[in-house]
Amino acid sequence: EDQVTQSPEALRLQEGESSSLNCSYTVSGLRGLFWYRQDPGKGPEFLFTLYSAGEEKEKERLKATLTKKESFLHITAPKPEDSATYLCAVKRGATNKLIFGTGTLLAVQP
Amino acid sequence: DVKVTQSSRYLVKRTGEKVFLECVQDMDHENMFWYRQDPGLGLRLIYFSYDVKMKEKGDIPEGYSVSREKKERFSLILESASTNQTSMYLCASTRGTEPNIQYFGAGTRLSVL
Repeated sequence: EDQVTQSPEALRLQEGESSSLNCSYTVSGLRGLFWYRQDPGKGPEFLFTLYSAGEEKEKERLKATLTKKESFLHITAPKPEDSATYLCAVKRGATNKLIFGTGTLLAVQP
Repeated sequence: DVKVTQSSRYLVKRTGEKVFLECVQDMDHENMFWYRQDPGLGLRLIYFSYDVKMKEKGDIPEGYSVSREKKERFSLILESASTNQTSMYLCASTRGTEPNIQYFGAGTRLSVL
């Protein structure tokens, strides 16, 4: 059965303290892994798509990487405005449907 | 920029009422989705539409129906609202071609009393 697991559930960092969020997945034939950011009371906002092991993408302080079994979202020198819930999702087979993890709630304190 | 608009940010309804949640996208996307989001459970797919008048059940369709009469609009219907349908409802849309990025609306927080 296709599954996405994110860890940790919550993470508290000091401003400037780098860390990584994990997304492990079980899917037959990965056809895309997506990272989203969600602010309280809002819909998820697209960040990255990764397709194959070894692929990396960057945006400001965020870098997403992919292996055959998991993806990491690395946050370098985070700022308070990076505080949000980060969601990971994978495509289900040949469909356009996604399976989401339950997210990591990141809090960055000044 | 893609824009997905949900008609209400907050709704309060009574048990047994018929509830309509509306979603409109402005990017001519073929596919549209309805999710609900609950703490600890993440986003769960309720229904999916891949074309006008075409729909497919998601993981938790019980108690819900949908309507897609026009390409830009996808409606979620709670035939008889129950308290366990209190949740955040999110609409999303995507093209039918890769990379199939789903774009989300701001969400509707529904409370059923």
